[in-house]
Amino acid sequence: DGGITQSPKYLFRKEGQNVTLSCEQNLNHDAMYWYRQDPGQGLRLIYYSQIVNDFQKGDIAEGYSVSREKKESFPLTVTSAQKNPTAFYLCASSISDTQYFGPGTRLTVL
Amino acid sequence: DQQVKQNSPSLSVQEGRISILNCDYTNSMFDYFLWYKKYPAEGPTFLISISSIKDKNEDGRFTVFLNKSAKHLSLHIVPSQPGDSAVYFCAASDYSGNTGKLIFGQGTTLQVKP
Repeated sequence: DGGITQSPKYLFRKEGQNVTLSCEQNLNHDAMYWYRQDPGQGLRLIYYSQIVNDFQKGDIAEGYSVSREKKESFPLTVTSAQKNPTAFYLCASSISDTQYFGPGTRLTVL
Repeated sequence: DQQVKQNSPSLSVQEGRISILNCDYTNSMFDYFLWYKKYPAEGPTFLISISSIKDKNEDGRFTVFLNKSAKHLSLHIVPSQPGDSAVYFCAASDYSGNTGKLIFGQGTTLQVKP
């Protein structure tokens, strides 16, 4: 059953801790993306990767880091440098113009 | 600078009637547009898309219209059903750098009343 998985669904961390969000896809898509959604706002692009071992900063990359060592995986690390990390994080992948999204991870920093 | 705008934060429609969701964009280089539907605490689901070479695309109850001269697109849902109640995002594809990036609007919350 092909798709995009994100884990965990809910994540709680203490302020000052780094946290890594998982994103896996078995759709054989080349491109993968990370977005952030805040209440009442649209999706804002954090990082994207068009191919393995390559990634680019999006519009709000500060305080985040990514890696793309495998085609199927694109983990996002929220570092302590991110000033407002509490948000809903969405991962997506695409092989053409259309992006397909995972179920999201709700990160709450206490 | 918001390149894709959905100026109506919310819309309420009676079941069976038409829902019209609007979206405006500023960049004339956008050449592909998409609509996504999103339920709370879930990822967006792709609904329908349209290329800039067309002015209409239809898929069942969903039709997207594109007016390039006005830089405006709309999503029509006919007839509306209670299960359509969700947040709808429009998005535009920015291929200026061949990145495949999508620029999203702020979303419109649709409520379909039984």
